[in-house]
Amino acid sequence: EPEVTQTPSHQVTQMGQEVILRCVPISNHLYFYWYRQILGQKVEFLVSFYNNEISEKSEIFDDQFSVERPDGSNFTLKIRSTKLEDSAMYFCASSAHMIYNEQFFGPGTRLTVL
Amino acid sequence: AQSVTQLGSHVSVSEGALVLLRCNYSSSVPPYLFWYVQYPNQGLQLLLKYTTGATLVKGINGFEAEFKKSETSFHLTKPSAHMSDAAEYFCAVSDLNAGNMLTFGGGTRLMVKP
Repeated sequence: EPEVTQTPSHQVTQMGQEVILRCVPISNHLYFYWYRQILGQKVEFLVSFYNNEISEKSEIFDDQFSVERPDGSNFTLKIRSTKLEDSAMYFCASSAHMIYNEQFFGPGTRLTVL
Repeated sequence: AQSVTQLGSHVSVSEGALVLLRCNYSSSVPPYLFWYVQYPNQGLQLLLKYTTGATLVKGINGFEAEFKKSETSFHLTKPSAHMSDAAEYFCAVSDLNAGNMLTFGGGTRLMVKP
C-alpha cells in the first residue's frame, strides 16, 4: 500500500541553525501539506501546496519557513533559523484531490531545538 | 473560522465495552469531517470521513460516526472495545476555502482496560 514517508525521524539542532525536513508524498498525489504538533498540543496546519505554489498558509508559517518540491518526488519544509519554540513533531501529508480531501499522513519528524 | 472541540482528553473503557468519543465542530460552510487515529510513535491514520450523503459512516476497525447537523456533532463509536484500540483519536474538519487545511480537535486518548 502506498504511503507517505518522512526523513529523518528525529532531528536535533541548535537554536539559530537551518533545518530541512523531507517528505516523499504518495506518487500520484497532487496536494501536499505540512502540519506540526507541539508536545501536548493540537495538530496545527502550517501550509498547503499545489501546482508548485503555496495554496494556503497559517500565521505560524512566517518568513522563517519555506516549502519546496525540488524534484517532483520530494516535498521539503525548511526552517531558516530555528527557535526553541519550533520543537515539535512535523507531519507531512498528501492528497489526490481537492474534493473529499482525504489526506494521508507520514509518520512525522520530531524536531528538537536546543 | 472553523473549530473542533473534543470533549474529554482521556477516556477509559473496559475491553468489550462501548467506545464513545465526542466531537463537536463549528463551520460556516457544509463541513467535511474526519476521524484520525494515532498509535504511539506513528503518524495519523484515517479512520473514517463524512463528506456528503449518508450521515452514518463506517470506518476501519469497526468504528463508525454519525454526522448530526442539528447538534454540530460527529461522535465516534465502536460497540465493543479491543485492547488494540488504545490510541489517540483526533477529530478534524476541512476547509475547502482555505487550501484544504484540516483543523483538528485537541485529541482524546483512549485507554482500554482488560
